Amino acid sequence: AAGVIQSPRHLIKEKRETATLKCYPIPRHDTVYWYQQGPGQDPQFLISFYEKMQSDKGSIPDRFSAQQFSDYHSELNMSSLELGDSALYFCASSSTNRGREQFFGPGTRLTVL
Amino acid sequence: AQSVTQLDSHVSVSEGTPVLLRCNYSSSYSPSLFWYVQHPNKGLQLLLKYTSAATLVKGINGFEAEFKKSETSFHLTKPSAHMSDAAEYFCVVSGSPIPYSGGGADGLTFGKGTHLIIQP
Repeated sequence: AAGVIQSPRHLIKEKRETATLKCYPIPRHDTVYWYQQGPGQDPQFLISFYEKMQSDKGSIPDRFSAQQFSDYHSELNMSSLELGDSALYFCASSSTNRGREQFFGPGTRLTVL
Repeated sequence: AQSVTQLDSHVSVSEGTPVLLRCNYSSSYSPSLFWYVQHPNKGLQLLLKYTSAATLVKGINGFEAEFKKSETSFHLTKPSAHMSDAAEYFCVVSGSPIPYSGGGADGLTFGKGTHLIIQP
């Protein structure tokens, strides 16, 4: 079965640079979620989109923004990167018609030097 | 608001012995509860979920969990541990109440995790 796809899988950036992470949900899933997991930490919810509209907002810094496109893929844009942004970023997708169970992608590991 | 508390940061058991990972939740409504597992440098895999259909929930790889409203608990158990069970386990609560009534796509709230160690 198709799973959530995230790209790139690994990304290395310098401080103050920008980064864009991409997420391709499971086909026919209408909702996308972004999570950040710092080293040795539990995942923290950042933001979600339902039918291309922002739905819920968690602990997402103002330097980050995200959107969901017409094909339901989503991008997380991160600007003015800081060392503390180094983390594993997970995307998850769900379907309203199937109870909103969230299926996670493999994650993008971002390292800020 | 909802939250989960995992009572043990580390649990160590011998291979072939039972596993118990403890989780308490707090929610103002009937919650959706989940257990996820994360192997080193890997993604998050759903072990099982509680969504009010049955209080005893069976998951993958022989794991099960029992929802106890009176104790606000959702402990994860397995009768016999295997070396491949060594991983980080997260108890998770959903922001969306059940039965799902539409509306926002709420993010999940994770516990701090329990690191399960399996001794040979």
